[in-house]
Amino acid sequence: QKEVEQNSGPLSVPEGAIASLNCTYSDRGSQSFFWYRQYSGKSPELIMFIYSNGDKEDGRFTAQLNKASQYVSLLIRDSQPSDSATYLCAILYNAGNMLTFGGGTRLMVKP
Amino acid sequence: DAGITQSPRHKVTETGTPVTLRCHQTENHRYMYWYRQDPGHGLRLIHYSYGVKDTDKGEVSDGYSVSRSKTEDFLLTLESATSSQTSVYFCAISELDRSYEQYFGPGTRLTVT
Repeated sequence: QKEVEQNSGPLSVPEGAIASLNCTYSDRGSQSFFWYRQYSGKSPELIMFIYSNGDKEDGRFTAQLNKASQYVSLLIRDSQPSDSATYLCAILYNAGNMLTFGGGTRLMVKP
Repeated sequence: DAGITQSPRHKVTETGTPVTLRCHQTENHRYMYWYRQDPGHGLRLIHYSYGVKDTDKGEVSDGYSVSRSKTEDFLLTLESATSSQTSVYFCAISELDRSYEQYFGPGTRLTVT
């Protein structure tokens, strides 16, 4: 069973702080890692993907991957109230072309 | 929503009736997916398609069937709806280059009474 685990939250951070969202996975045969953002009542939207160990930065977002420890994280710098949403981690395993999603972490950024 | 529409957007139906949900894309992407999203379970894959008439099962396929007769349309049928199939259903598309990124439609909220 390929599992993707996220703390459901809510994770509450003050405006302007760094929000750190974490995701762990069970299967070392993993290939690609994705972060989706989902506003309440809306569909998920892709915000970042990462394939290689290390950091990948895109604006205020940084994805971090550590395959040896089997975790992927998303950092949001200078958090804004508009970042308040549920963040879904998804993993593509080598054996297939299907994504396995975690349950999501709800982030609340307070003004 | 990356050229993806879903219909209907909301539906209420009775237990035991068949229901068909439609996903339509204008991106000419090869892969299409149906997910359901429930509180506490995240997104779970029901079925997916990798081409016209080519489909395969996902994690939670029991009670569902799919069809894809054209590249742009992917239909999900609940053969005999049950209350446990009350959920939000999302369609997604992707194209197999290096990235496997999936883009989601707006969702259909289905209530089975």
